[in-house]
Amino acid sequence: AQSVTQPDIHITVSEGASLELRCNYSYGATPYLFWYVQSPGQGLQLLLKYFSGDTLVQGIKGFEAEFKRSQSSFNLRKPSVHWSDAAEYFCAVGAAGANNLFFGTGTRLTVIP
Amino acid sequence: ETGVTQSPTHLIKTRGQQVTLRCSSQSGHNTVSWYQQALGQGPQFIFQYYREEENGRGNFPPRFSGLQFPNYSSELNVNALELDDSALYLCASSGGFSKRNTEAFFGQGTRLTVV
Repeated sequence: AQSVTQPDIHITVSEGASLELRCNYSYGATPYLFWYVQSPGQGLQLLLKYFSGDTLVQGIKGFEAEFKRSQSSFNLRKPSVHWSDAAEYFCAVGAAGANNLFFGTGTRLTVIP
Repeated sequence: ETGVTQSPTHLIKTRGQQVTLRCSSQSGHNTVSWYQQALGQGPQFIFQYYREEENGRGNFPPRFSGLQFPNYSSELNVNALELDDSALYLCASSGGFSKRNTEAFFGQGTRLTVV
């Protein structure tokens, strides 16, 4: 069965500190992995995606994620967090076409000055 | 290039009523998926339409139905509304099934409240 686990419901970091959001997945086929960000009352914006190849992928807004097949993980990182990064972050897994994405329950990021 | 637009942005309905939500897909996209996002949860897949045909469905009852039109815009219809249907409904469009078209673009959503 397909599933995505985001073990951290809420994370608080200081502005300028580094960030890592965890994501573990279970998927029967070759996974296509995504990270989305959602600001309050808004839709989802794609940060980055992994299909194949280099396991370290770069995204927008200075985010990167590393795919580790042995650990079934796709953790999101940012070296220095900005106050504007405060939002809800969702990890998702799917197949070609992204037509049926399985989302985690999200991690809410709070950034303190 | 226009983005994905959804209407209305907010809606309040009474239990037992029917509702129709609308989505205009991004220019050039022929695939539309609908998701339900309950408060504090991640989006859950409802169904997908590809070239006007339903092409996959999640674990939602038949009172959730949809349509896709020749211009690839889409509607989500929910009959016999229940209180638990209160959620943010998200529409996503993508270019189809090839690997390069895998990115799904989401609209801002419709916030449905059932009272």
